[in-house]
Amino acid sequence: GAVVSQHPSRVICKSGTSVKIECRSLDFQATTMFWYRQFPKKSLMLMATSNEGSKATYEQGVEKDKFLINHASLTLSTLTVTSAHPEDSSFYICSASTGGWYGYTFGSGTRLTVV
Amino acid sequence: DAKTTQPNSMESNEEEPVHLPCNHSTISGTDYIHWYRQLPSQGPEYVIHGLTSNVNNRMASLAIAEDRKSSTLILHRATLRDAAVYYCILRDVREGAQKLVFGQGTRLTINP
Repeated sequence: GAVVSQHPSRVICKSGTSVKIECRSLDFQATTMFWYRQFPKKSLMLMATSNEGSKATYEQGVEKDKFLINHASLTLSTLTVTSAHPEDSSFYICSASTGGWYGYTFGSGTRLTVV
Repeated sequence: DAKTTQPNSMESNEEEPVHLPCNHSTISGTDYIHWYRQLPSQGPEYVIHGLTSNVNNRMASLAIAEDRKSSTLILHRATLRDAAVYYCILRDVREGAQKLVFGQGTRLTINP
């Protein structure tokens, strides 16, 4: 089955620094990837849709200059949280789709803690 | 986007069947009904999906009402590992890789 690898699984960083999270589709080409964030006991909130070779489409209220998304190949998308602050601490999850009915495969998530 | 309504939480006992309801009264003819679940501290995983007919797979069964305005995810024999948040999501397949929008889901607790 389709597998999405997300790395790192946990990261702690200092306020003001940037953190990069990688999302890789291991055995399929992902034409589209999605990035979500999730606060404790809450549902997933879609941040942006990433298409290979083009600019990401951000959801309303998501700062595109703060959450930089790059989808440089059909198997890799990255999310960079720039100038992180404690309020950016959250669980970030990526998802990939092949574009067909098949559905979506999710990464295991990255828990970001900004201190 | 058509929306779904699910109970916030449900509780069941181990080795008993569980029926998780979902209402989607504004569903369109091209909306597929998808179910995903999220175990603690993990990303969601696909459970099952359907359009009009009932569906079975190794994880669960999906019963879809004749008017398609509601559906029920059935776990035939719950185990402790089935404790998770279950999300019912509509996806219009006409639009290709459309984004999945998650509602609040149902938090399922399984008692030993």
